[in-house]
Amino acid sequence: GEDVEQSLFLSVREGDSSVINCTYTDSSSTYLYWYKQEPGAGLQLLTYIFSNMDMKQDQRLTVLLNKKDKHLSLRIADTQTGDSAIYFCAEILSSGNTGKLIFGQGTTLQVKP
Amino acid sequence: NAGVMQNPRHLVRRRGQEARLRCSPMKGHSHVYWYRQLPEEGLKFMVYLQKENIIDESGMPKERFSAEFPKEGPSILRIQQVVRGDSAAYFCASSRDSSGNTIYFGEGSWLTVV
Repeated sequence: GEDVEQSLFLSVREGDSSVINCTYTDSSSTYLYWYKQEPGAGLQLLTYIFSNMDMKQDQRLTVLLNKKDKHLSLRIADTQTGDSAIYFCAEILSSGNTGKLIFGQGTTLQVKP
Repeated sequence: NAGVMQNPRHLVRRRGQEARLRCSPMKGHSHVYWYRQLPEEGLKFMVYLQKENIIDESGMPKERFSAEFPKEGPSILRIQQVVRGDSAAYFCASSRDSSGNTIYFGEGSWLTVV
C-alpha cells in the first residue's frame, strides 16, 4: 500500500539540532522530498534526494536515506525560531510515472527560545 | 520567474454553491497537480493533468468535482454543490515533466463552506 509515516510533533531548543524522521513504503520511489509549511501558507520545497543517494547536504539541512529500512530523515542544524513549522515528507510513486506525491501527515516542529 | 500562482487565496461559499479554483503553473511547466489538505492533515493527491488531458484522477471524488487544464489559460478545479466537508486548502503544483525532478507548489486556495 501507499503510506508515508511521520511522528507528529518535535520540540527543540534554539541552537540545537532537529531530526525529523519518516518511513515510506514504495521501495522503487525515485525521489523523496521534504517540504516546509508555515501556518496559512503553501508548501516550500526544502530539499529532495534521489533514491540512488544516501545523503544530501544543503547548508543547515542534511537528508539521510536508508533504502533498506525505507527510512528518511531531515536534520536541521542550529535550529532557529524561524524554523518552527510543519515539515512534510513525501515520496513519488514510480508506478505509471505519473509524478504523484504521497505525503506523510506532517511533523510540527516547535523551537523554543 | 513567477512561481505557481493560485487564486483566489481565500474563498467562502454557502452550501450548494459552486467553487472554482484557478492555477497557473510555473513558466515552462506543462504538468499540473491538485492536492487537498483537510484541517490538521497531510496533503492528498486529487488529480494530475497535462495540457488538455487528465492523466490520473484517482484521488478525485466521484461526484461534484472536476478539473481541466485547457490549451490556453489556467487549470481549473471545480467543485459543484459544495458541502461543509469540502472546506479545506486546495494546493496546485506544477512540474516540467513527470519524472518527479522537483514539483513546485502554489500558496494554496482556502475554501470555507458555510
